[in-house]
Amino acid sequence: GAVVSQHPSWVICKSGTSVKIECRSLDFQATTMFWYRQFPKQSLMLMATSNEGSKATYEQGVEKDKFLINHASLTLSTLTVTSAHPEDSSFYICSAPDRVGNTIYFGEGSWLTVV
Amino acid sequence: GQNIDQPTEMTATEGAIVQINCTYQTSGFNGLFWYQQHAGEAPTFLSYNVLDGLEEKGRFSSFLSRSKGYSYLLLKELQMKDSASYLCAARVNDYKLSFGAGTTVTVRA
Repeated sequence: GAVVSQHPSWVICKSGTSVKIECRSLDFQATTMFWYRQFPKQSLMLMATSNEGSKATYEQGVEKDKFLINHASLTLSTLTVTSAHPEDSSFYICSAPDRVGNTIYFGEGSWLTVV
Repeated sequence: GQNIDQPTEMTATEGAIVQINCTYQTSGFNGLFWYQQHAGEAPTFLSYNVLDGLEEKGRFSSFLSRSKGYSYLLLKELQMKDSASYLCAARVNDYKLSFGAGTTVTVRA
């Protein structure tokens, strides 16, 4: 079964609204989680590193005020897309390393469509 | 910066063998992951190489040469369900991954 779970799998929202995506590690604690974005037929692009108990680290070109990340507990990180626009429509995926770090698990992904 | 290169597409026949090459140039390197991704789904873990050499897991094997900045994923006894995108990813810092663009493998009957 899944070791990293994302919710929701699909979400449609109106332009200008905010959407929250949750990423949970199941049966293990993840002090660090990662958020990726993937556009159709493209590879995964790292957006930010989510750190439990501290601020997220954003990759160059990613607006931290638009993509709010909160790592509230050792098993939950959330990504909030604020003031969403159609160009934010994408596949958002989170990942978390296992305790040893030899395996990095991905969540099921969340499809966001902004209309 | 990070540079991960892999072929865009490969086609093979059911039952055959296909080798997907990946070359990388990264600032920092802690290992090489291979993931399989079916259209519209999240990536699933296939292999992780840290040391040089070949690691075999059933029909899939992965090879790494750190000195050459090179890895390959070998898929044997291809099945139709193996049609997917295969992602090469370098672990560049702690658990941060830098992905290649992915290789779309099409298996034909």
